[in-house]
Amino acid sequence: AQKVTQAQTEISVVEKEDVTLDCVYETRDTTYYLFWYKQPPSGELVFLIRRNSFDEQNEISGRYSWNFQKSTSSFNFTITASQVVDSAVYFCALSGGGAGSYQLTFGKGTKLSVIP
Amino acid sequence: NAGVTQTPKFRILKIGQSMTLQCAQDMNHNYMYWYRQDPGMGLKLIYYSVGAGITDKGEVPNGYNVSRSTTEDFPLRLELAAPSQTSVYFCASSTPRYGYTFGSGTRLTVV
Repeated sequence: AQKVTQAQTEISVVEKEDVTLDCVYETRDTTYYLFWYKQPPSGELVFLIRRNSFDEQNEISGRYSWNFQKSTSSFNFTITASQVVDSAVYFCALSGGGAGSYQLTFGKGTKLSVIP
Repeated sequence: NAGVTQTPKFRILKIGQSMTLQCAQDMNHNYMYWYRQDPGMGLKLIYYSVGAGITDKGEVPNGYNVSRSTTEDFPLRLELAAPSQTSVYFCASSTPRYGYTFGSGTRLTVV
């Protein structure tokens, strides 16, 4: 069975601080995908990144960066110089890579509050 | 715009009533899903479909039914609404190559 753990339930930071959201996953699949989604107060799910299990390169997109470490089964997300607009719930998710196994398993989410 | 369309956006049901949540996608994705999100929780899979005519249960299927008569549509049926089904429901579609597209959600309250 697949499992995603986001140990941080809520985080508060002051604007312009850096913040890292942790994600640890469990899977028996050798091929899998990892995702991060943002859910702002309006409720929709905003796709941030998808990473496959064979690509361990870290990725940077503007103020966002992701650290994928297979050795520790972690896929952490860092926001640099946080802004009030980053306030949201962030979900880490996992899907298998085999045929018919594309459903997502979500963590419980981390609520980030950025204080001006 | 292409994407996943869910209707309605909000609904209040009385206990025992039934309703259908509609979901349609115009991207020709074979895979479609229904998730529910309870307060303070991540999304949990209710049902999914790998193509027209094929559906299967997810993690929390009790109290729900689905059908997939066309590639585009994947409605979710609640037959006897219960307070435990108060939740936000998300429909999604996916392809292996391009990942997932989520609808905007349906907020359902059962009173």
